[in-house]
Amino acid sequence: DQQVKQNSPSLSVQEGRISILNCDYTNSMFDYFLWYKKYPAEGPTFLISISSIKDKNEDGRFTVFLNKSAKHLSLHIVPSQPGDSAVYFCAASAGSYGQNFVFGPGTRLSVLP
Amino acid sequence: EPEVTQTPSHQVTQMGQEVILRCVPISNHLYFYWYRQILGQKVEFLVSFYNNEISEKSEIFDDQFSVERPDGSNFTLKIRSTKLEDSAMYFCASTGSGGNQPQHFGDGTRLSIL
Repeated sequence: DQQVKQNSPSLSVQEGRISILNCDYTNSMFDYFLWYKKYPAEGPTFLISISSIKDKNEDGRFTVFLNKSAKHLSLHIVPSQPGDSAVYFCAASAGSYGQNFVFGPGTRLSVLP
Repeated sequence: EPEVTQTPSHQVTQMGQEVILRCVPISNHLYFYWYRQILGQKVEFLVSFYNNEISEKSEIFDDQFSVERPDGSNFTLKIRSTKLEDSAMYFCASTGSGGNQPQHFGDGTRLSIL
């Protein structure tokens, strides 16, 4: 039962271009969504989050969009840099205090110089 | 910036042995978690811990697993009798008080069961 899906296992983008990573979820109770980046041999690093009361959140080169009706969110990275090459996980939780996150399977982003 | 630290980074254990994975969460955080990631698979929730008790656990977290906060800083995961399928990366995470907080992860312990 995949509550959080990332249908693209990998994505390659040219340096300087936009990277768009997608995530779909099935549980309508999810109300808080996050993106994590993970390098090999390291733990997931928090990137950006969005709560269900918003449809967009921006932090520097990173923007997350949430479409609640479609149960879809996306992460935009503009401009993409080689250092962005990593595995990106979408995660979601229901309820606001101390709830565990459900992770998607991840998308491996490769930014080509 | 404060971080979650995990020890050891790699643990090799014979099947059937007990293993304890250690974590030091960020000092003012109140919620603690263990996740695992089997090679090539997604990160899976194991257990959450708040106010000195388990607040939620997944079906993975069976009777072989236990968690403890033995003092004010450490948070441990014990696997009583390890199985081959317990081989995975184990990540500890913590989060502060207040609603909708991101969890901060340690770099994980790679557990290899022989």
